Amino acid sequence: GAVVSQHPSWVICKSGTSVKIECRSLDFQATTMFWYRQFPKQSLMLMATSNEGSKATYEQGVEKDKFLINHASLTLSTLTVTSAHPEDSSFYICSARSGRGVTNEQFFGPGTRLTVL
Amino acid sequence: QKEVEQNSGPLSVPEGAIASLNCTYSDRGSQSFFWYRQYSGKSPELIMFIYSNGDKEDGRFTAQLNKASQYVSLLIRDSQPSDSATYLCAVNTNDYKLSFGAGTTVTVRA
Repeated sequence: GAVVSQHPSWVICKSGTSVKIECRSLDFQATTMFWYRQFPKQSLMLMATSNEGSKATYEQGVEKDKFLINHASLTLSTLTVTSAHPEDSSFYICSARSGRGVTNEQFFGPGTRLTVL
Repeated sequence: QKEVEQNSGPLSVPEGAIASLNCTYSDRGSQSFFWYRQYSGKSPELIMFIYSNGDKEDGRFTAQLNKASQYVSLLIRDSQPSDSATYLCAVNTNDYKLSFGAGTTVTVRA
């Protein structure tokens, strides 16, 4: 149980285009989903927190107009990188929290590697 | 001061030895503590979580928590080459967020 999928697993796009990444919780309902970004040899940096049916909460320094997050259902959240540029190339990882139990455990998706040419 | 700090790596241990990973955190109100393993190019996978002071064992892994010292550690016994990875310490802060340390890279020599 507690499987999270992401699609696509990798994407290459031209500078200036927009890219959408999907994150799905396959066997549980996720009350909260998180989006992280990881640059090579660095740790995960939280970009935003999204709750189903409400606006995402962005971390300081993350442009909400550039990284659009939609959490339309309890099993799906999407991240759209708008007008992508080479500096947006990174490993984007989502995680989902079920809201059950006391550990606040997050289950991670397999990640999406974005390369902007 | 960083919220979560881990001992700098890389850590190299021979096969069969014990690997010891350390992590300190700054928020005394933190409640839950997690150790994730991340292989190169992959996303993190949960190894263990702990939220009570003391030790918690799961197979070859033992997590230790000392809230008074704001310290959490992970021991890997009988290290195997397949344990070679980056280990991330994560601490639950507020709003169910996780704050991650920079990670310690472990290499197990065959």
